[in-house]
Amino acid sequence: EVQLVESGGGLVQPGGSLTLSCAVSGFTFSDYYMSWVRQAPGKGLEWVANIKEDGNNKYYVGSVKGRFTISRDNAKNSLFLQMNNVRREDTAVYYCARVNSWGYGSTFDNWGQGTLVTVSS
Amino acid sequence: DIQMTQSPSSLSASVGDRVTITCRASQSVSLYLHWYQQKPGKAPKLLIFGASHLQSGVPSRFSGSGSGTDFTLTITSLQPEDCATYYCQQSYITPLTFGPGTKVDLK
Repeated sequence: EVQLVESGGGLVQPGGSLTLSCAVSGFTFSDYYMSWVRQAPGKGLEWVANIKEDGNNKYYVGSVKGRFTISRDNAKNSLFLQMNNVRREDTAVYYCARVNSWGYGSTFDNWGQGTLVTVSS
Repeated sequence: DIQMTQSPSSLSASVGDRVTITCRASQSVSLYLHWYQQKPGKAPKLLIFGASHLQSGVPSRFSGSGSGTDFTLTITSLQPEDCATYYCQQSYITPLTFGPGTKVDLK
């Protein structure tokens, strides 16, 4: 059974830093692109970042470029999101998602339960 | 960036009704269009990928169609467990973008 479990969320002050983690099991982690997707309270879904299977290619939404860093440790079946210089508008539930393609680009076929990040003073 | 719109933003329907949700992209996304279902407090679930391909385990009352800029998600016979918010998502180019969602509830 595919499982993705996020951790690391919490309260952080504007301008502060936080690192999210996602532990995966039930599939060969190193065979898949992975993503972070977020959802502000009461709002819709927003893709944040993707990382290639080997970690060498990373893609970000414009609003987090230069502030967030996606990374992975294939030996530990773990995905990370380093969040620096956070803003109030980064407040959201952050989901870790497995990316599948089937020839149609990045599709999120498995999701974690999410971890809440609240940016507030 | 490709902007995604959905209509309606919400709808109420009865059990057994046919429900149709529309998604439109600001430019062609070919068949790189996917649909998700999200229930309150839960993670989204993939329903349809590549515009019309049913994800494994998803009931056959769900179907998708369309190409280019205009897409449709259809539920042929609404069930109580289908009450949720539905999102479309394009994967044609980054940034990957989602529609604003369509909330479906029971009349």
